[in-house]
Amino acid sequence: DSGVTQTPKHLITATGQRVTLRCSPRSGDLSVYWYQQSLDQGLQFLIQYYNGEERAKGNILERFSAQQFPDLHSELNLSSLELGDSALYFCASSGRTSGSYNEQFFGPGTRLTVL
Amino acid sequence: DQQVKQNSPSLSVQEGRISILNCDYTNSMFDYFLWYKKYPAEGPTFLISISSIKDKNEDGRFTVFLNKSAKHLSLHIVPSQPGDSAVYFCAASPPGGATNKLIFGTGTLLAVQP
Repeated sequence: DSGVTQTPKHLITATGQRVTLRCSPRSGDLSVYWYQQSLDQGLQFLIQYYNGEERAKGNILERFSAQQFPDLHSELNLSSLELGDSALYFCASSGRTSGSYNEQFFGPGTRLTVL
Repeated sequence: DQQVKQNSPSLSVQEGRISILNCDYTNSMFDYFLWYKKYPAEGPTFLISISSIKDKNEDGRFTVFLNKSAKHLSLHIVPSQPGDSAVYFCAASPPGGATNKLIFGTGTLLAVQP
């Protein structure tokens, strides 16, 4: 158990809809990262928040947005969903001293299926 | 543009033998490299890392080797155990601080046969 929690575990929805994925980082971690893993692909970095502020952005579509709240949990909002958005979405956190530089701890992921 | 590449989608090894997983990268500015292991229906789990100023890091059965001139790193698992069967991802961190994004390879599925 990494200490990072994600809800829901599975999500099935239709094209054009909007969903929200939720992530709670490990206790004390200030950074939250979102990654997308499509079929047969590696994890693609989407966005990073640090203590409530956006820190870095990757290949995140304009239809997607994220935020980090004062209690440090984060939400990833996906709107106008398309079939190609079907993927595993992982949240990771880092920031607590662990002795390993840049070590990110990953949640179990949310599997999104767009029909 | 795939900056981190794992060219072997799968690898099969006998229990007790050595497993060698390879990773190539294109950006010489990467300053940290990590290996993650992933079981089905779980998130990636951190295994071992190496700074770009080193060429080897060892942790128990796991050793990572970095060849900067070849822009190549490898993960050695000795001896391999059936519980090591999983997908292994290589990841690289661009310079700029301790809270940067990671760039992942596409993964190698390791199967350790009993």
